[in-house]
Amino acid sequence: EAGVVQSPRYKIIEKKQPVAFWCNPISGHNTLYWYLQNLGQGPELLIRYENEEAVDDSQLPKDRFSAERLKGVDSTLKIQPAELGDSAVYLCASSLSRGRGTNAMVLDTQYFGPGTRLTVL
Amino acid sequence: GNSVTQMEGPVTLSEEAFLTINCTYTATGYPSLFWYVQYPGEGLQLLLKATKADDKGSNKGFEATYRKETTSFHLEKGSVQVSDSAVYFCALGVYGNNRLAFGKGNQVVVIP
Repeated sequence: EAGVVQSPRYKIIEKKQPVAFWCNPISGHNTLYWYLQNLGQGPELLIRYENEEAVDDSQLPKDRFSAERLKGVDSTLKIQPAELGDSAVYLCASSLSRGRGTNAMVLDTQYFGPGTRLTVL
Repeated sequence: GNSVTQMEGPVTLSEEAFLTINCTYTATGYPSLFWYVQYPGEGLQLLLKATKADDKGSNKGFEATYRKETTSFHLEKGSVQVSDSAVYFCALGVYGNNRLAFGKGNQVVVIP
C-alpha cells in the first residue's frame, strides 16, 4: 500500500514569491492534515480536513496561507507571499477517521508523508 | 492545553547500550500517547502507541508504558543498533480534535 505522497520534496524560492505544496493521502483515508515543522521542533498542526471540509484551521495564518481539498482526496497548501520565516518542513498526514457517534474513544493513527522542505531566500 | 515535554539535548550512545528517552505530558480528557521516529531524509513514522493508562506500546524492540500517575510515556530499548539513529518524537492526542501535540524531539546517535 502506498503511503502519503508529497511533492515537491524540496523547494527554494525568493521572499515575496508564491509557493504551493501538494499532498496525496493514503487511499481511503478521509482525514488529511497539514503540519509545519520548524528546525529542531516538533510538528505543529496548520489545518485538518475531514473529507473536503476544513474542520480545524485555527492555526493557519490566513493572511498568507491557504489550503484546499476540493474532491476530498488530494490537497494543496499555498503560501502567498512567502516570507523568510516560512522556511521549514511542511508535512502532510492522513488518517481513517471513525464515524461520529462511535463508542471507541480512541484517537485515529496519523500517517505522515516525507514532507516538503521549503527554503525562502 | 495539551503539551508534551521531552528531555533536552541529543542522545549519543554506543551500539548495544540501553536507551531511555523521557517524555512527560499535560492533557485534558483521555489522551492517547505516541512515539514517532524520523530517519534522515524521511517522514515521521509511527513507532508505537498506547491509548489508555497502563497500556504498553511496543515495536522493533522499543517499549513505552502509559503512566497516568506520573504523566509519563518514556521510550526504552534494551540494546540499540546503529540503524536506530534517528530523531524520536513523543506526541499526545485527545479524541475529538485529532490534533497531535508533539515534543521537540530527541536526536539519537548510535556509535558502532
